[in-house]
Amino acid sequence: ETGVTQTPRHLVMGMTNKKSLKCEQHLGHNAMYWYKQSAKKPLELMFVYNFKEQTENNSVPSRFSPECPNSSHLFLHLHTLQPEDSALYLCASSQSATPLEQYFGPGTRLTVT
Amino acid sequence: AQSVAQPEDQVNVAEGNPLTVKCTYSVSGNPYLFWYVQYPNRGLQFLLKYITGDNLVKGSYGFEAEFNKSQTSFHLKKPSALVSDSALYFCAVRDGIAGAGSYQLTFGKGTKLSVIP
Repeated sequence: ETGVTQTPRHLVMGMTNKKSLKCEQHLGHNAMYWYKQSAKKPLELMFVYNFKEQTENNSVPSRFSPECPNSSHLFLHLHTLQPEDSALYLCASSQSATPLEQYFGPGTRLTVT
Repeated sequence: AQSVAQPEDQVNVAEGNPLTVKCTYSVSGNPYLFWYVQYPNRGLQFLLKYITGDNLVKGSYGFEAEFNKSQTSFHLKKPSALVSDSALYFCAVRDGIAGAGSYQLTFGKGTKLSVIP
């Protein structure tokens, strides 16, 4: 897990707040991902970035705004969230062009009040 | 479209007994298959993968998985379970066809494994 770090680990925010989640990978990978993990549901892929370019957006509401300034850093900007957005948000990274496994960070536990 | 199913929400096994966590998949081309484990309040950790070659794949912590193409299955196994193996296990699949959701892994819902002392 030290290869992919996420901050903060826990976040409580109101529906009118603006906050950001940060992910950093130290593995030299070129692809980075945001996933949402809710109780008793499969992991939901939200966004994919390859060489800093967004390649996938799985119909994620605009209240989630990703940013990838370089291949090592990934942000998820949050604003006007809903209580149903409470979940564990996981960041992952991988080599971009080969079918290798993804490496995950520890996640940010988000609670929207 | 690719999909994966883990038919058991929970598996209970006595310590020292063999364990099996089931996974079946559906893809258009050849599958790339993965198993991950998640401990409480942690991210997912990679256990093992099947890309090609030997149908029996060995991974971390003594786990192994058997790829069965005719049954479209990739069950996770361990000969002797430990209490420390108790966790949430996820199977994932990616379609081997180039360009078919190239970066997307599809995950199962997860199976909670409880190893009873």
